[in-house]
Amino acid sequence: DVKVTQSSRYLVKRTGEKVFLECVQDMDHENMFWYRQDPGLGLRLIYFSYDVKMKEKGDIPEGYSVSREKKERFSLILESASTNQTSMYLCASSAIRGLYSPLHFGNGTRLTVT
Amino acid sequence: AQSVTQLDSQVPVFEEAPVELRCNYSSSVSVYLFWYVQYPNQGLQLLLKYLSGSTLVKGINGFEAEFNKSQTSFHLRKPSVHISDTAEYFCAVTGTSSWGAAGNKLTFGGGTRVLVKP
Repeated sequence: DVKVTQSSRYLVKRTGEKVFLECVQDMDHENMFWYRQDPGLGLRLIYFSYDVKMKEKGDIPEGYSVSREKKERFSLILESASTNQTSMYLCASSAIRGLYSPLHFGNGTRLTVT
Repeated sequence: AQSVTQLDSQVPVFEEAPVELRCNYSSSVSVYLFWYVQYPNQGLQLLLKYLSGSTLVKGINGFEAEFNKSQTSFHLRKPSVHISDTAEYFCAVTGTSSWGAAGNKLTFGGGTRVLVKP
């Protein structure tokens, strides 16, 4: 089974701190994604990457950056955390093979910014 | 660009009763459609998908969904729910042209919480 591992289940950070959320997948997937999940808003795409060192903005990239130095690892960075970034963050990966490849999600990191 | 509307934010239902979760989408291009489920304290997992062919799609755990192009809907149904179906369900869409090497970006709806009561 594909495993997508997010390094922290819960994080509490202070306003203005630099925050790193880490995600690792073990299936050699090309695509990796960071979503943010908020009640009533569903999942919104922050950034995605389809190859090492490649990144593309999603729908809500403001206040975030990403890093993909190795194929299996995709990091989300909050340069200066703010209270409106308190949320559940979900990492996902998928392969590029044929017509369809499902997203595989990690269990999420619940970030609280105080 | 696509958008997805899940018409019900919460659906309480008794065990062994049927359930229908409504999903409508908007898109100017052809679409692929998905339903994902999120059990408590877990990530999302794929329930079923529509890519092409038969408009009635069967998924895991007894769920099925019907694609209706004229009504731009993709409603999810289960004829008899179990306590273990308590979860949040997400409808998602992507344009067929955005699938592939550039990343299979999905647009998700706001989610529907299903609470199955004994």
